[in-house]
Amino acid sequence: DARVTQTPRHKVTEMGQEVTMRCQPILGHNTVFWYRQTMMQGLELLAYFRNRAPLDDSGMPKDRFSAEMPDATLATLKIQPSEPRDSAVYFCASGSVGIAGAYEQYFGPGTRLTVT
Amino acid sequence: QKEVEQNSGPLSVPEGAIASLNCTYSDRGSQSFFWYRQYSGKSPELIMSIYSNGDKEDGRFTAQLNKASQYVSLLIRDSQPSDSATYLCARGDMRFGAGTRLTVKP
Repeated sequence: DARVTQTPRHKVTEMGQEVTMRCQPILGHNTVFWYRQTMMQGLELLAYFRNRAPLDDSGMPKDRFSAEMPDATLATLKIQPSEPRDSAVYFCASGSVGIAGAYEQYFGPGTRLTVT
Repeated sequence: QKEVEQNSGPLSVPEGAIASLNCTYSDRGSQSFFWYRQYSGKSPELIMSIYSNGDKEDGRFTAQLNKASQYVSLLIRDSQPSDSATYLCARGDMRFGAGTRLTVKP
């Protein structure tokens, strides 16, 4: 049963601390997406990678967020330093380019981040 | 104007009825659309994709796309309480609507 995995599932941290979230995409998918979901803003695309290369990170606050894909089986999203406004659920999704260049995405279970 | 607009609801229908969920978008050049279902506390799950004008049916679900009117919809026939969830409309460029919360009452 192929699925996207994310760790940790929950994270509570204090303002100013570094947070690292990890994602293992579905084997064979060449594109990985990072999203943030809040009640106020809904689901927002932060960044995505194709074949491990960053294609778009325009949705990410550059001064504190960074995303990498060290290898095909691991994507990371880091926040340093974290702030209370970063509290949200962070989803990773994976997919492969399909019809009309679009992606059918498969989401991981998410990391619920609380910054106090 | 948001790029993908959905009525946030809540939309309430009785069990067995047809639930109609709607979505409008601002980019006339958009080619592909997706519907995701998200249960409370869970992650979005892809249920339908549609790339061309007209209807696409999959079991109890029918997606409809009208590019001239920049409108996409999802119909759920014979609605079940297990269909109660938030339904997210997404464009091919990974822009999501805010979601419509659907409640199916037994």
